[in-house]
Amino acid sequence: EVQLVESGGGLVKPGGSLRLSCAASGFTFSSYSMNWVRQAPGKGLEWVSSISSSSSYIYYADSVKGRFTISRDNAKNSLYLQMNSLRAEDTAVYYCARVPRDGYNFDYWGQGTLVTVSS
Amino acid sequence: QLVLTQSPSASASLGASVKLTCTLSSGHSSYAIAWHQQQPEKGPRYLMKLNSDGSHSKGDGIPDRFSGSSSGAERYLTISSLQSEDEADYYCQTWGTGIQVFGTGTKVTVL
Repeated sequence: EVQLVESGGGLVKPGGSLRLSCAASGFTFSSYSMNWVRQAPGKGLEWVSSISSSSSYIYYADSVKGRFTISRDNAKNSLYLQMNSLRAEDTAVYYCARVPRDGYNFDYWGQGTLVTVSS
Repeated sequence: QLVLTQSPSASASLGASVKLTCTLSSGHSSYAIAWHQQQPEKGPRYLMKLNSDGSHSKGDGIPDRFSGSSSGAERYLTISSLQSEDEADYYCQTWGTGIQVFGTGTKVTVL
């Protein structure tokens, strides 16, 4: 069974940093591209960042470029999101999502971790 | 610019059918999309990938009540025999080089 479990969320002050993790199981993590997607309270889904299976290709949404860094450790079956210079508008539930090997859509999602940026 | 447009809300009675629409922006009518369901207070769940020719492949365990179809730049999700657990937000998703795009979502209410 494919499982994605996010962790690392919490309350942080504006300008602060936080590192999110996504633990993957039930599939060969090293063979799949992964993504981070966020959802502000009461709002829709917003794509944040993607990383290819070998970390060769990395992309960011304009809203986080230069502040967030996506990475992965295939030996640990884990995906990460380092978030720096956090702003109030970064407050959201952050989800990790898997991309199937034969496509570009997302086929599995985690349950999310809440990040609150507030003084 | 790659944009997906969805109506904010839809409703239908228990046991009836509802058809949701996701419209691709001009110049992108050949793009495939994916549909995702988000029940209240839960993470999203992948429903299906839908191609421009209407062919689709569903996610694991998705009931036959969920089907997809396409016409031009429009992509549809039809939910038949509506059940109470189908009350949720439904998002369409598409992709380009280095980007992923979501529609604004449609909230489905089961009457």
